Amino acid sequence: DQQVKQNSPSLSVQEGRISILNCDYTNSMFDYFLWYKKYPAEGPTFLISISSIKDKNEDGRFTVFLNKSAKHLSLHIVPSQPGDSAVYFCAASAHGTGTASKLTFGTGTRLQVTL
Amino acid sequence: NAGVTQTPKFQVLKTGQSMTLQCAQDMNHNSMYWYRQDPGMGLRLIYYSASEGTTDKGEVPNGYNVSRLNKREFSLRLESAAPSQTSVYFCASSEVGLNNSPLHFGNGTRLTVT
Repeated sequence: DQQVKQNSPSLSVQEGRISILNCDYTNSMFDYFLWYKKYPAEGPTFLISISSIKDKNEDGRFTVFLNKSAKHLSLHIVPSQPGDSAVYFCAASAHGTGTASKLTFGTGTRLQVTL
Repeated sequence: NAGVTQTPKFQVLKTGQSMTLQCAQDMNHNSMYWYRQDPGMGLRLIYYSASEGTTDKGEVPNGYNVSRLNKREFSLRLESAAPSQTSVYFCASSEVGLNNSPLHFGNGTRLTVT
C-alpha cells in the first residue's frame, strides 16, 4: 500500500519554463511534507518542506503547494534550469511519531530540463 | 564537513554471505536511519535509531540487523544475504526536535547479491 504516490515517473520541460511535480498521499495522519532532489550516484538532498498548517511555502525558484482536502501537494520550479534535471522525491511524516523524523517516500519523478 | 559517510560504495555478495554496511555522521545528530531504494519503490525505511542506545524497526526490517555503536555510527548487517536484498542502501541522520528536521543522506552503498 503506497501511502505517498508520484504518478508521473518522468517529466520533460524546456529551460526557462515552469516545472510542476505532483504528489498524492492517502494517510490523513501526515502533517509534514518534504521534497528531496537526487542526482545519480548521490544521496537525496533536502529541497523544501511544508507543514500542514500552511498551504504554500516558497524558497527562491521553488514553491510547494499543499491541498489538504485533496491530499495533494505539488512542487513548482520557476524558471527551470538544466541543473534542475534530477529525480525528485516527495516525502511525508506524521508528527506524532516521536523524536525521529521517519519519512514515507514516494517513488520519484525524473525531471529533465532541456535546452 | 563530510556529513554522512557510507562504506563501502559498492559490494557484490553471493547468496548466504554476510556483510556489514557502515555509516558515520559528523553533524552531532541524534537520530540515524537506514533506507533502501529499489526501482519503482522509492526509499523504504529499514531501521532507525532515534537516539544513541535505541533502535527500532521500520517498514522493511526482515533480513537485517542494526547496531548504534555510538552517537556517530550506525551499522546495518545482513547475516545471510538474499538476491531480494539487491538494492541501493542509504544511511541518513537528523537532529531531534519538534520541527521534523530534514534528513541528511549519505551517497549510498550499491549492493548486488548473486
